[in-house]
Amino acid sequence: AQKVTQAQTEISVVEKEDVTLDCVYETRDTTYYLFWYKQPPSGELVFLIRRNSFDEQNEISGRYSWNFQKSTSSFNFTITASQVVDSAVYFCALSGYSGGSNYKLTFGKGTLLTVNP
Amino acid sequence: GAVVSQHPSWVICKSGTSVKIECRSLDFQATTMFWYRQFPKQSLMLMATSNEGSKATYEQGVEKDKFLINHASLTLSTLTVTSAHPEDSSFYICSARGTSIVETQYFGPGTRLLVL
Repeated sequence: AQKVTQAQTEISVVEKEDVTLDCVYETRDTTYYLFWYKQPPSGELVFLIRRNSFDEQNEISGRYSWNFQKSTSSFNFTITASQVVDSAVYFCALSGYSGGSNYKLTFGKGTLLTVNP
Repeated sequence: GAVVSQHPSWVICKSGTSVKIECRSLDFQATTMFWYRQFPKQSLMLMATSNEGSKATYEQGVEKDKFLINHASLTLSTLTVTSAHPEDSSFYICSARGTSIVETQYFGPGTRLLVL
């Protein structure tokens, strides 16, 4: 069975601090996909990134960066120089084929990030 | 690109009435759409998967007769909450996936349902 663990329930930082959101996953698949979504207070889930299991290259997009390490089954998300607008719930998710999941998304419980001015 | 809309965004109804929620993929064809339910401060719970032109597949514990799903075209899926009761009050979110099962799911803005 697939599982995604986001151990940090809530994180509070002051603006301009760097913050890392942790994500650990479990899967039996050799091919799978990892995602991060942002859910601001408005409720809509905003897609941030998708990573294939065979591509361990880290990625940077502006203030956002992602560290994918298959050896530790982790896909961590770092926001550099955080801003108040980054305040949201962030979900890590996994999709794969095994266990009848047929590439449905398995979500973590989410991490509530609050960036204070 | 990859925009998904949902309508209505808010609905308040009386107990016993039925409510229909629409989910549309605006700029891509969605072979598969998903319906989720989210309780306050919780993660998303998948209710059902719908494929265009076929019957929806419901997750364990989700009542098919209570939550009717229709995926009539490659851009539209509807969720009807039949004979709604206060316990059906929740945030309902749809997502859409393109023609390949490994594609990314893009989410709609959600519908907040309050049953009085």
